[in-house]
Amino acid sequence: ELQLVESGGGLVQPGGSLRLSCAASGLRFGSFPMAWVRQVPEKGLEWVANIDEDGREKYYVDSLKGRFTISRDNSKNSVDLQMNNLRGEDTAVYYCADVGCRYWGQGILVTVSS
Amino acid sequence: EVVMTQSPLSLPVTLGQSASISCRSSQSLVQSSGNTYLSWFQQRPGQSPRRLIYKVSIRDYGVPDRFSGSGSGTDFTLKITRVEAEDVGVYFCLQGSQWPPVFGGGTKVDI
Repeated sequence: ELQLVESGGGLVQPGGSLRLSCAASGLRFGSFPMAWVRQVPEKGLEWVANIDEDGREKYYVDSLKGRFTISRDNSKNSVDLQMNNLRGEDTAVYYCADVGCRYWGQGILVTVSS
Repeated sequence: EVVMTQSPLSLPVTLGQSASISCRSSQSLVQSSGNTYLSWFQQRPGQSPRRLIYKVSIRDYGVPDRFSGSGSGTDFTLKITRVEAEDVGVYFCLQGSQWPPVFGGGTKVDI
């Protein structure tokens, strides 16, 4: 089993930046393509971005291109999400998951507000 | 972008009875390989989503056989037989056949 733990969330002002991290343990992390998925409180789930096993291929939903950057460090068993120029509509719980969504972290809340 | 439409939005159920949730996609989810990447998830209150079913009908390890998935093309169904109290939560479908992956809006199941 792959255990995932997110960190780095919190309150940020509009226009600010935040970096989320996801620490993995358990199964061989480097064999999993990974993703970030977000959920607006009491609303649905939205795919944010994903990255392949070795970090070469990255994909973003169109609405977030240019503001969010996904990266990974297989030597540290981690995958990050750098979020810039944040907006109120980015307020959500952010989940780290494998691309197949078999394994999920506990989620981390990001609140964008002045 | 594929649109995933789930119904109903809310599903009151009776313990021991069956319940069905529908998920319809705006385009066929069958890839040229023949694979269909349609998954179902359960999200209990205060918890992360949990995958129940992948590739339309394959149950994840540890998922009770009361949960079953079916369908093809654009129409998919999650069925819960003999509903138990622990089945309360929100259920989502997810299509992964076409970029970007898209979740359905969710169905709230309560007793």
